[in-house]
Amino acid sequence: GENVEQHPSTLSVQEGDSAVIKCTYSDSASNYFPWYKQELGKGPQLIIDIRSNVGEKKDQRIAVTLNKTAKHFSLHITETQPEDSAVYFCAASGFGNEKLTFGTGTRLTIIP
Amino acid sequence: DAMVIQNPRYQVTQFGKPVTLSCSQTLNHNVMYWYQQKSSQAPKLLFHYYDKDFNNEADTPDNFQSRRPNTSFCFLDIRSPGLGDAAMYLCATSVSAGVVYNEQFFGPGTRLTVL
Repeated sequence: GENVEQHPSTLSVQEGDSAVIKCTYSDSASNYFPWYKQELGKGPQLIIDIRSNVGEKKDQRIAVTLNKTAKHFSLHITETQPEDSAVYFCAASGFGNEKLTFGTGTRLTIIP
Repeated sequence: DAMVIQNPRYQVTQFGKPVTLSCSQTLNHNVMYWYQQKSSQAPKLLFHYYDKDFNNEADTPDNFQSRRPNTSFCFLDIRSPGLGDAAMYLCATSVSAGVVYNEQFFGPGTRLTVL
């Protein structure tokens, strides 16, 4: 089955700097890669996703890149703000597969 | 707004006392999921329904059961909660797996405490 590794497990960034979280996956058939943000005591919230026919996607301060050859994808947050502090999970899924395989999570702390 | 709703948000039960958590959705999605999430860990899929078809994960304990009486509602029953079942329980939904991409939308979760 699919295996998703996520690094780093914790990340502290000065406010205004950029943060990068990286994930690798094992199943070359995976074609959908969402990122979730989870604030303390809340459910995960989908913040951005990328599909296998696209190499990069951007939404304001958030971007995701995908390298299908290397089987890795990354989340980039620019101009970080205190409200970006949360746990971020990457995930992967294959065609017609209703299940997601999650990474282990990254706790991002923005230092004011 | 269309959403996934979980009740209650916080549930306290006693060791061995059955408990039911509920989830409802206004998204009209035909797939509903139950996840268990323990502190600092990724959500762990317990089972999911594809319409009325129940799909259990191989490592989900028999202590956990689920019911889906209609498209909108899904319940998680824990027959005899143990201390190790204390966790956040997350409900999620997605559209049919017949589409290419599987976007899942999560509810706010129910925090279960077992005394």
